[in-house]
Amino acid sequence: DVKVTQSSRYLVKRTGEKVFLECVQDMDHENMFWYRQDPGLGLRLIYFSYDVKMKEKGDIPEGYSVSREKKERFSLILESASTNQTSMYLCASSYRETQYFGPGTRLLVL
Amino acid sequence: TQLLEQSPQFLSIQEGENLTVYCNSSSVFSSLQWYRQEPGEGPVLLVTVVTGGEVKKLKRLTFQFGDARKDSSLHITAAQPGDTGLYLCAETSGTYKYIFGTGTRLKVLA
Repeated sequence: DVKVTQSSRYLVKRTGEKVFLECVQDMDHENMFWYRQDPGLGLRLIYFSYDVKMKEKGDIPEGYSVSREKKERFSLILESASTNQTSMYLCASSYRETQYFGPGTRLLVL
Repeated sequence: TQLLEQSPQFLSIQEGENLTVYCNSSSVFSSLQWYRQEPGEGPVLLVTVVTGGEVKKLKRLTFQFGDARKDSSLHITAAQPGDTGLYLCAETSGTYKYIFGTGTRLKVLA
């Protein structure tokens, strides 16, 4: 079974803090994604990566950066957390057209 | 920008009832996926439909792709509490691009 794990299920941070969200997949997938999920807005793509050290902006990259130093790991960085970044963050990897999601990290920024 | 509208937004039914949820687009889908997301978990892929008019069955779930490939439906027969969750449709166009609908939140009462 494909497994995508995320470092934290819940996080509480203060405004202005630097936040790291980690995602690891164990199926040697080349493609990895970060989404945020908000009520009424569905899943919105923040960034994706199609290879180590390669990244592309998604629909809402502002305020975020990513890092992919190893194939299995894709990190999302909030450079200076703000309250409007309170959300559920979902990581996914994909093979062909099938995406496999992690359980999500619910982030609260106070 | 393609928009995916799902209806209804919320649905609460009794165990044993049938239901249908819908996914509509402003333009033609390349291919369409349905996911189910259970509380506290990431979405899990249920099915991918590609051909206009296509019908796929997964136990009590029937997925239909419209002839013009601009709409899709998911029908559940004899719903069970285990069907509770958020149902998401997603349009895929290539390996990297996924556009998600806003979802239908289903609650099946025992």
